[in-house]
Amino acid sequence: QSALTQPRSVSGSPGQSVTISCTGTSSDVGGYNYVSWYQQHPGKAPKLMIYDVSKRPSGVPDRFSGSKSGNTASLTISGLQAEDEADYYCCSYAGSYSLVFGGGTKLTVL
Amino acid sequence: QVQLQESGPGLVKPSQTLSLTCTVSGGSISSGGYYWSWIRQHPGKGLEWIGYIYYSGSTYYNPSLKSRVTISVDTSKNQFSLKLSSVTAADTAVYYCASYRADPTGFHFDYWGQGTLVTVSS
Repeated sequence: QSALTQPRSVSGSPGQSVTISCTGTSSDVGGYNYVSWYQQHPGKAPKLMIYDVSKRPSGVPDRFSGSKSGNTASLTISGLQAEDEADYYCCSYAGSYSLVFGGGTKLTVL
Repeated sequence: QVQLQESGPGLVKPSQTLSLTCTVSGGSISSGGYYWSWIRQHPGKGLEWIGYIYYSGSTYYNPSLKSRVTISVDTSKNQFSLKLSSVTAADTAVYYCASYRADPTGFHFDYWGQGTLVTVSS
């Protein structure tokens, strides 16, 4: 069970859009529509941003969206704001009641 | 609003057993559709799923930690616990408890504790 692959860092200017990828295998990301994304600010617990690939919890701005193609899931943040600067983690169900996280991506708002 | 709170020693000696408890408030740990989870984060690193337990007592662990991990539940106290044996410095991390929702409404971690730093050192 290897960690899902995410870019270590991405950046964008306020108002721009950025996309963070999360690549796994057919045994996790590609095999189930149970990918979720979490935002983590320094010293804080992670916060759910997207679940089941593309569903957004109440209270999360519609600037956040998710998608999946094959073994790669993606989180897109449009209209970047300063408060979006954080670490982002994907998580996928991996079968047999197991879960796997991505390595995390640091988003910098320039 | 469900709240989770970790408790336990912040310092554990090498080769000993790390023990943490998560107290759930604002909801019942016996609610179906939730798997009560432990996740850790090494300093400056990513999240690692340790395992989870259903209120019935069924447990599921990360294969890489399975030989050293035990998760248990006490429904009468609305708590679940983590034991990690034979710890080394590599087990130094922030440990989070969280609820993993797995039902027709979605599959995701929805509530998290604040996290507790456990340092393994003599």
